[in-house]
Amino acid sequence: GQQLNQSPQSMFIQEGEDVSMNCTSSSIFNTWLWYKQDPGEGPVLLIALYKAGELTSNGRLTAQFGITRKDSFLNISASIPSDVGIYFCAGQLPGNTPLVFGKGTRLSVIA
Amino acid sequence: GAVVSQHPSRVICKSGTSVKIECRSLDFQATTMFWYRQFPKQSLMLMATSNEGSKATYEQGVEKDKFLINHASLTLSTLTVTSAHPEDSSFYICSATLTGTDTQYFGPGTRLTVL
Repeated sequence: GQQLNQSPQSMFIQEGEDVSMNCTSSSIFNTWLWYKQDPGEGPVLLIALYKAGELTSNGRLTAQFGITRKDSFLNISASIPSDVGIYFCAGQLPGNTPLVFGKGTRLSVIA
Repeated sequence: GAVVSQHPSRVICKSGTSVKIECRSLDFQATTMFWYRQFPKQSLMLMATSNEGSKATYEQGVEKDKFLINHASLTLSTLTVTSAHPEDSSFYICSATLTGTDTQYFGPGTRLTVL
């Protein structure tokens, strides 16, 4: 099936550092979503983006919907140990359609 | 609000047996539910789209006779893995769409191990 290009695959950072990850697609999406998944759990929605150019924050998290509608990035500021996990981007076409996921970014935070 | 549950959370079964996984929307009605599969260290891959009262739509490469999906009510969809084999061992995750919206809410997942 279709997948999004998500990078980096993994990151090791010091506590307090900022983090940036992004997703690109060859297709246009109407909605971009960012999820966090902890081991053995389902994905939890962090941020949803609905308009090209939209910049949305959720606490220390900020995400943007690219102008071309083919990309999105997620920034995490001042990382803390509980930020550890796998972050997935997902794109959605118009309507009640299934999500297309990126391959994930595995984040490790060193205290 | 918008809580999705899955049962069981973990199941271990012998090769050749069938396993049923339930996905429930606890506090909302879901006309559509999606079933995803996630292998270790990989992303979620869509298996099928389940619409209440109609047959599920399967993705290419997913055998509909092996992965039986029933969506008999607005709050419950079931996935039955028939004649399970070790290669079916995976993390199965459902999502439910709040009726009237496009927003999907994910369940906590079911880890299936086939011995």
